[in-house]
Amino acid sequence: AIQMTQSPSSLSASVGDRVTVTCRASQGIRNNLAWYQQKPGTAPKLLVYASSSLQGGVPSRFSGSGAGTDFTLTISSLQPEDFATYYCLQDYNFPRTFGQGTKVEIK
Amino acid sequence: VQLVESGGGVVQPGRSLRLSCAASGFSFSNYAMHWVRQAPGKGLEWMAVISYDGNTKYYADSVKGRSTISRDNPKNTVYLQINSLRAEDTAVYYCARVRVTYDSSAYYAYWGQGTLVSVSS
Repeated sequence: AIQMTQSPSSLSASVGDRVTVTCRASQGIRNNLAWYQQKPGTAPKLLVYASSSLQGGVPSRFSGSGAGTDFTLTISSLQPEDFATYYCLQDYNFPRTFGQGTKVEIK
Repeated sequence: VQLVESGGGVVQPGRSLRLSCAASGFSFSNYAMHWVRQAPGKGLEWMAVISYDGNTKYYADSVKGRSTISRDNPKNTVYLQINSLRAEDTAVYYCARVRVTYDSSAYYAYWGQGTLVSVSS
């Protein structure tokens, strides 16, 4: 199975900060990657698919990039509602695999 | 679009459980469906997928051989049965619908609220 490694595991940031989360695949997955946001007690929400395509309704401060093995989720200006845990998910082959998550906390 | 899971609860180790996910608000028979679980305080784990027509299925290694995903398109319902339950199967189980028709990708536009399975004696 493809291993997905996210970094950092957690970070503290302030409102207005630019935040970057990275995800590395153990083998090339082309652009077959999604990013999800999850808040406590709720189901995850799709933010980005196919590495860089923004899901409808997702604010434009979120963006994704990367291909092959290295991917990035960027929040250009962190808002209060963005404090959550973020997961990457490879869509290249089965079994699908998630990263371990990155928790974004308030500084 | 609405997805509603049911069938969770407390179950003894070694027993079986069948989870259901009732779908509404879209043409269910045109969409692949996935199951994803989350152990308490842990990350997300992909479990299984079934194609829109039920002909193609894949499973996570952790449940392969003791789990069956199935669907009943006239009833707009997808199921996940897990046999020989273990303590490590304790989790919230979510069903999820893919973004586009006839696609088995992992881009989940819609999720249910989840159903909690607790494996304990």
